[in-house]
Amino acid sequence: GESVGLHLPTLSVQEGDNSIINCAYSNSASDYFIWYKQESGKGPQFIIDIRSNMDKRQGQRVTVLLNKTVKHLSLQIAATQPGDSAVYFCAEGGGGADGLTFGKGTHLIIQP
Amino acid sequence: DTAVSQTPKYLVTQMGNDKSIKCEQNLGHDTMYWYKQDSKKFLKIMFSYNNKELIINETVPNRFSPKSPDKAHLNLHINSLELGDSAVYFCASSLRGPTTDTQYFGPGTRLTVL
Repeated sequence: GESVGLHLPTLSVQEGDNSIINCAYSNSASDYFIWYKQESGKGPQFIIDIRSNMDKRQGQRVTVLLNKTVKHLSLQIAATQPGDSAVYFCAEGGGGADGLTFGKGTHLIIQP
Repeated sequence: DTAVSQTPKYLVTQMGNDKSIKCEQNLGHDTMYWYKQDSKKFLKIMFSYNNKELIINETVPNRFSPKSPDKAHLNLHINSLELGDSAVYFCASSLRGPTTDTQYFGPGTRLTVL
């Protein structure tokens, strides 16, 4: 099975609210984590990344949290906008793997 | 300017045919990749390649072969296409290795095998 998974396949939030997308990973040796956003008909787009020597990293309206103890990764999006509607993937790297391992994706739906 | 580009965007073909998908990156990256995304949106690495090493995912049939004329290009050639090859194929690149750097993706090629 996949080593990276998401708890919720679909997440629906009201426009303006904050959203949290969660991801669990199983390879404790992974040391690099990325969140990607994929809009319909487009390729995955880099959002934010974090390395294992950090537990939090902030970008513009997005924050990634890493909890290595429980092997959990989350993406927080503040004040969601209609343009945030997309499928979000977490991915992990390092740990002896040949490349990034992607999770299944969470479809974020922004309700007006 | 497009960082990672792929052609064609759509490809419809018959079973048994041979086809190629082209990829180019203008980022000066050392490593390029091919991914397959199935109907459930699951992304799976097929190959990673730099000028020194080709890493093949062992689950990829040998009908699939990457060809790199130079550092900025990594094309995907597929022989004897099968129905199950229908998917969206993404090219990506990263500055250095596959597990330490952000990968930047192309827009994808939707392959339909009839």
